[in-house]
Amino acid sequence: GAVVSQHPSRVICKSGTSVKIECRSLDFQATTMFWYRQFPKQSLMLMATSNEGSKATYEQGVEKDKFLINHASLTLSTLTVTSAHPEDSSFYICSARDDRGHTIYFGEGSWLTVV
Amino acid sequence: DQQVKQNSPSLSVQEGRISILNCDYTNSMFDYFLWYKKYPAEGPTFLISISSIKDKNEDGRFTVFLNKSAKHLSLHIVPSQPGDSAVYFCAASWGRNSGNTPLVFGKGTRLSVIA
Repeated sequence: GAVVSQHPSRVICKSGTSVKIECRSLDFQATTMFWYRQFPKQSLMLMATSNEGSKATYEQGVEKDKFLINHASLTLSTLTVTSAHPEDSSFYICSARDDRGHTIYFGEGSWLTVV
Repeated sequence: DQQVKQNSPSLSVQEGRISILNCDYTNSMFDYFLWYKKYPAEGPTFLISISSIKDKNEDGRFTVFLNKSAKHLSLHIVPSQPGDSAVYFCAASWGRNSGNTPLVFGKGTRLSVIA
């Protein structure tokens, strides 16, 4: 079946540094990818919609200069958390919409801990 | 304002019995609905979907029913197995021919299947 790979699965970084999370669609092309964030025991909160070759669309309240999204190819989108703070610690999940259909597949998620 | 609601945060079912997970939505623009299963610290796994032109879709032990007039959908799992224990998210989107629309998620229902 369709697979979306997310890397790294876990990362610990120091406050003030930047962390990059990659999201790859392995067996399909994805013009559109989505980035979500999940707090403990809460639902998935959409952060931004990423479109290949254009600027991402951010949801209200999400700082675009802090959460940099790059969607340089039809199979790769990256989320960079810049100047990370402890409150950025969370579970980040990407998803990709298969260009051939409408189903959206999710990556395995990335645990970010900022110390 | 929550557009997709899963009013039951948890559900316990005996192994072998039917599990019924419910979902309500408020946005009449939604025309595509999906169910995802999620284990802790993992990305959601796609289970089954249904288009608004249908009222039922079946895939193995999983059946999704859609009642558009009531803006209600449900996921039936029969027979339930211990491995089905997870959090189930209902999601909705609109503009099936537009790849840019994200999924709107409910808060999830935690299913526990008791052996």
